[in-house]
Amino acid sequence: DAGITQSPRHKVTETGTPVTLRCHQTENHRYMYWYRQDPGHGLRLIHYSYGVKDTDKGEVSDGYSVSRSKTEDFLLTLESATSSQTSVYFCAISESGGGYTEAFFGQGTRLTVV
Amino acid sequence: KQEVTQIPAALSVPEGENLVLNCSFTDSAIYNLQWFRQDPGKGLTSLLLIQSSQREQTSGRLNASLDKSSGRSTLYIAASQPGDSATYLCAVPQGAQKLVFGQGTRLTINP
Repeated sequence: DAGITQSPRHKVTETGTPVTLRCHQTENHRYMYWYRQDPGHGLRLIHYSYGVKDTDKGEVSDGYSVSRSKTEDFLLTLESATSSQTSVYFCAISESGGGYTEAFFGQGTRLTVV
Repeated sequence: KQEVTQIPAALSVPEGENLVLNCSFTDSAIYNLQWFRQDPGKGLTSLLLIQSSQREQTSGRLNASLDKSSGRSTLYIAASQPGDSATYLCAVPQGAQKLVFGQGTRLTINP
């Protein structure tokens, strides 16, 4: 299994509070991604990173920010959590972007916003 | 915009059968296609990556084929086992940054 660790694995938070999810990799892959998975919508890209301090938006980036200060860590922050952000969040990594190389996923973080 | 469709949405078969899962995509200009497995409450496990220059890729009892011109891929599972029960997802790259996923086929293998 690819060395990807997501933390926390489960979290319940209140509406309006900030939340940070962490993705840690031991593979030294350049690209890291945050997806969310929702019934009826499948997996959708939130943000991605193509190197340290290099990030860009995905298709559902509103209300989210990311940071990558080290190759191995990619943080996803919900600035002010809303109920619509209740979801399962997955981190993924790949050696190169554009789908050229195999993507590997973490175990997910189940976030509930009440 | 790339769209990926997987049919059927759910499939239930008895143990031991050979089966085929289907994946179709609208933009044939892809570099590769990846098949994943997802168990309930778990992450995605990569099963096979087929490069655009390949037509088939095999791993154990799994065989994936890719026909870019027709926008289709199939995942063949031989001699199915109850442990194969899971949701199977296919994904293709779009642009420089992301994978586009199908909705998945939920497979149940009955003992």
